[in-house]
Amino acid sequence: AQKITQTQPGMFVQEKEAVTLDCTYDTSDPSYGLFWYKQPSSGEMIFLIYQGSYDQQNATEGRYSLNFQKARKSANLVISASQLGDSAMYFCAMREGTSGYSTLTFGKGTMLLVSP
Amino acid sequence: GAVVSQHPSRVICKSGTSVKIECRSLDFQATTMFWYRQFPKKSLMLMATSNEGSKATYEQGVEKDKFLINHASLTLSTLTVTSAHPEDSSFYICSASGPLNTDTQYFGPGTRLTVL
Repeated sequence: AQKITQTQPGMFVQEKEAVTLDCTYDTSDPSYGLFWYKQPSSGEMIFLIYQGSYDQQNATEGRYSLNFQKARKSANLVISASQLGDSAMYFCAMREGTSGYSTLTFGKGTMLLVSP
Repeated sequence: GAVVSQHPSRVICKSGTSVKIECRSLDFQATTMFWYRQFPKKSLMLMATSNEGSKATYEQGVEKDKFLINHASLTLSTLTVTSAHPEDSSFYICSASGPLNTDTQYFGPGTRLTVL
């Protein structure tokens, strides 16, 4: 079974609107971390936001927020006030355990296109 | 902080030659680094976990003798693609956990390898 599922291969949004990118995960480990990365066409992976499994509040970083619903095992990324520069591939990832030595498992990604 | 560099960013080589890719953590020490491979429009696939001072841990299906990993210092890991063939052409990305090991993985900008 896939550990990280991103069901939206592509999403379109108009500039200045908000958009939600879906991510569901599967793990039996009580300790885990969820990450979102942005990959523009240049290829670099840019860290956006992190949510720990024990975090009580949803993570926020500027225009990015993570809608963490633990019981549903979902960790959706919300981008508010979309900008043209937000057009990129977005990957959800999970690390089981809390150690930095643990590997990341990535979803297949969602391509976001922001139109003027 | 938490900057990871990769060199070269792009390399073209002839079939049968070896190519070395360097991954450096610029402003922190990384006892653990990770090497990923990414095919066009696909997700990241973990190749191996590189531990400073010890042998790398390879994922299933990744040839150890083909993809040599050396993590000789706390800031440098190298991936050598030996006797490269056209099917080794891909985007190779490294990441490093740090600086506190429980933190997220920060990625290098990637290396695009083309084998002719």
